Parts: sequence; structure tokens; C-alpha cells
Amino acid sequence: AQSVTQLDSQVPVFEEAPVELRCNYSSSVSVYLFWYVQYPNQGLQLLLKYLSGSTLVKGINGFEAEFNKSQTSFHLRKPSVHISDTAEYFCAVTSNSNSGYALNFGKGTSLLVTP
Amino acid sequence: ETGVTQTPRHLVMGMTNKKSLKCEQHLGHNAMYWYKQSAKKPLELMFVYNFKEQTENNSVPSRFSPECPNSSHLFLHLHTLQPEDSALYLCASSHPEGSGGNNEQFFGPGTRLTVL
Repeated sequence: AQSVTQLDSQVPVFEEAPVELRCNYSSSVSVYLFWYVQYPNQGLQLLLKYLSGSTLVKGINGFEAEFNKSQTSFHLRKPSVHISDTAEYFCAVTSNSNSGYALNFGKGTSLLVTP
Repeated sequence: ETGVTQTPRHLVMGMTNKKSLKCEQHLGHNAMYWYKQSAKKPLELMFVYNFKEQTENNSVPSRFSPECPNSSHLFLHLHTLQPEDSALYLCASSHPEGSGGNNEQFFGPGTRLTVL
């Protein structure tokens, strides 16, 4: 089975500053990794995903993440955040040998961008 | 409509009421999911359906009853709920691994449920 740990429950940051949201996973097999964003009173929206190939993945809204197999990490980064990036961010994992169909989500990281 | 839709968006019900949540996906996916999202708690997977068959029931109380009449529609029937069942209920769909997909899930906007 796979699991995800999001190390920070809240990350406050000033507008235009860089940000990194951390995600570590545990799995004994190859994985697919995802980052989702949830704005207030909305569902989850996919930011980016790693399936295979290049370990640096670029997503929407200027976000990117790097898959690091040796450190079992998939940290999300943005070089300059906006007020509108304030939201809840979820890291999720599944496996290409998963007998089930569900993603395993982390507990989420609340990003708060202030002026 | 496109993507995944959920109705109603908001629902207030008493503990003796019976209500249903509806989810519809217009993406041609084979798998559908119900999640519960409570304040200050992680997403909880409730049910998984693949090709209309329930493949996972994550120890959900029987007062929640899912129904999947076809691959595009998913219902969650509610009866005799408790106040602690108040939460955001999210529906998602995907092409699971083994059906040519990678299990990327597409979410609806959710139903905000309040049980009085």
C-alpha cells in the first residue's frame, strides 16, 4: 500500500515570495503522484502529475514539482506566489500495480499568501 | 455540461430525514468515487465503483447507501444521519489503471451537507 505525508499543515508566505510545499510518499512499487488544489467552497482541481519520464513536472498556474525517487519526495514549488494562490493543497499517490482504484491523499497543506 | 457535476450544492437536513446526493460525470470514465471532507480532517474515501460495481466500501456506516445505476451517475442516499456527518461530500471519476488510465481523478464541486 502507498501513503503520503505532507509535512506542513500551514504555510504562510508573502506575495511574490517563493514557496515550497513538501510531500513524501511511501511505496514499495512504482508510483503515480499528483498535486491537487482546493479553493474555498470548491472541489479539488489537478495542478500537476508525475506518471513517468522527466522528474521535473510543470503544472498550471506556474507551479512545478520534482519527483525524487531516492528521497521518496514530490515537493511542489512556485517561484513567486500571488494572493490568489491562497488555498488548500493536497498531494496524492497511486501505483501502477495497485489492485484498487483509489488515490491515497495527504492531509493537505493550507497556503496563506498575504500582501 | 462538462466534467463532474454534483447536486445539490448545499443541503440542510434533520436527523430523521431521507435525502440523496447526485453526481454525474460527462468524461466517459469507468470509475466513480465518494469522498467525505470534514473540517480539520483529511479526505476520507467512502466508496469506489468501477464499471457500476462497488469495489471498495471503506467501513462506512449503513446510514450512507451508494447507488451506481450506470457509469455516468452516482448517488449517495442518506438516512438518519448524525450531526457529525456534516461535511463536504465530494464525487470524483477516473479511468483506473487496467482500463488504459492512470487513475487521475476529476472532482466535482461537492455538496455541503449540514445535519441538524
